[in-house]
Amino acid sequence: GESVGLHLPTLSVQEGDNSIINCAYSNSASDYFIWYKQESGKGPQFIIDIRSNMDKRQGQRVTVLLNKTVKHLSLQIAATQPGDSAVYFCAENIGYGGATNKLIFGTGTLLAVQP
Amino acid sequence: DAGVTQSPTHLIKTRGQQVTLRCSPISGHKSVSWYQQVLGQGPQFIFQYYEKEERGRGNFPDRFSARQFPNYSSELNVNALLLGDSALYLCASSLDQPLAKNIQYFGAGTRLSVL
Repeated sequence: GESVGLHLPTLSVQEGDNSIINCAYSNSASDYFIWYKQESGKGPQFIIDIRSNMDKRQGQRVTVLLNKTVKHLSLQIAATQPGDSAVYFCAENIGYGGATNKLIFGTGTLLAVQP
Repeated sequence: DAGVTQSPTHLIKTRGQQVTLRCSPISGHKSVSWYQQVLGQGPQFIFQYYEKEERGRGNFPDRFSARQFPNYSSELNVNALLLGDSALYLCASSLDQPLAKNIQYFGAGTRLSVL
């Protein structure tokens, strides 16, 4: 069935270090992926996205890598800050460009930044 | 500009009751999607609406229904509430332009507790 899962449920890093959050997806037909950040008491916040015709995309302090061969995504956060502490979800966009625009989320990774 | 707004923020109901949750999308967004997020898990797709029509439905029972109004706002209704319906209900809106990635932006959610 459809599923997007994460390898590490909890990641603890020191402030200033780089963080890497991993995600595996199962639908080989998926062609659009998004990373969301969810802080306590808030809805998911868009971080960065990537289409399947790319293998890397960079934003401000964040980079997403896509390996379609092994159906794997990763989110890299440079110089992690206390404000980065949150749960991070990767999501697979089913129906991208079509009639239905549906996100399939994994269970999330809790990123805890130690001062 | 205001983001996606949801009301109420919190709600307590008892088993068997009915509930209506409301969502106002970002100005200019024509598509609204609803997700259920159980504690400790990623959001699960319930519905997508576009131009007042249902475009997609997730694996939820018929007790769940929704509608979209001419101003693109939306309501989610849940009848005959069960304890397992306790969750954070998230609304997301997107532009939903054809053949384009349509980033979904989320509201803060409505926390529903069924006792």
